[in-house]
Amino acid sequence: DGGITQSPKYLFRKEGQNVTLSCEQNLNHDAMYWYRQDPGQGLRLIYYSQIVNDFQKGDIAEGYSVSREKKESFPLTVTSAQKNPTAFYLCASSLFEGGQPNTEAFFGQGTRLTVV
Amino acid sequence: AQTVTQSQPEMSVQEAETVTLSCTYDTSESDYYLFWYKQPPSRQMILVIRQEAYKQQNATENRFSVNFQKAAKSFSLKISDSQLGDAAMYFCAYISSRTGTYKYIFGTGTRLKVLA
Repeated sequence: DGGITQSPKYLFRKEGQNVTLSCEQNLNHDAMYWYRQDPGQGLRLIYYSQIVNDFQKGDIAEGYSVSREKKESFPLTVTSAQKNPTAFYLCASSLFEGGQPNTEAFFGQGTRLTVV
Repeated sequence: AQTVTQSQPEMSVQEAETVTLSCTYDTSESDYYLFWYKQPPSRQMILVIRQEAYKQQNATENRFSVNFQKAAKSFSLKISDSQLGDAAMYFCAYISSRTGTYKYIFGTGTRLKVLA
């Protein structure tokens, strides 16, 4: 079955530690995204990548880093510089043709990160 | 910059009744896509319905339909014969069709409660 897999579902880390959230897709989608979801604030874009080895900052990139070495994978690192990292993180992907969106964004099941 | 506004943080509907969720957006583009996503308590984002701006006909998917008013930049979701399983957060989303635009923009969401 094609889809997007995020792991782990729950993650606990001590303050000051970096942590990496995994996102893998087998949909052959070009674009991948990371969103942060907090109560009452909807989905806020952290980073996105439209092609391998290229990515762009979203609206709240400070304290986060990403890589896109493979089309299927788009890991997100939450660094110690992120002041309030406890949140629900969603990864998504989408198919683009000729640089235009072809479909909706497909989402993983999310990772709940708690920093203590 | 494009924005998406959902002005109803929370709505309630009686089981088997009809409810309408509001969404307005701001854009200077003429071609774009609009979406409604459902996020149940599992937090998995599920596409409910999709509308292409160039299509005048309102999209429908079983009990879900939209009222797309392009001139008014309004995109409301109507849920008919509401069921307990419809209880969820609902997000309105937008993406431009312009080549090279990769960002989906989400509203802050409306929490729908279904009363038995």
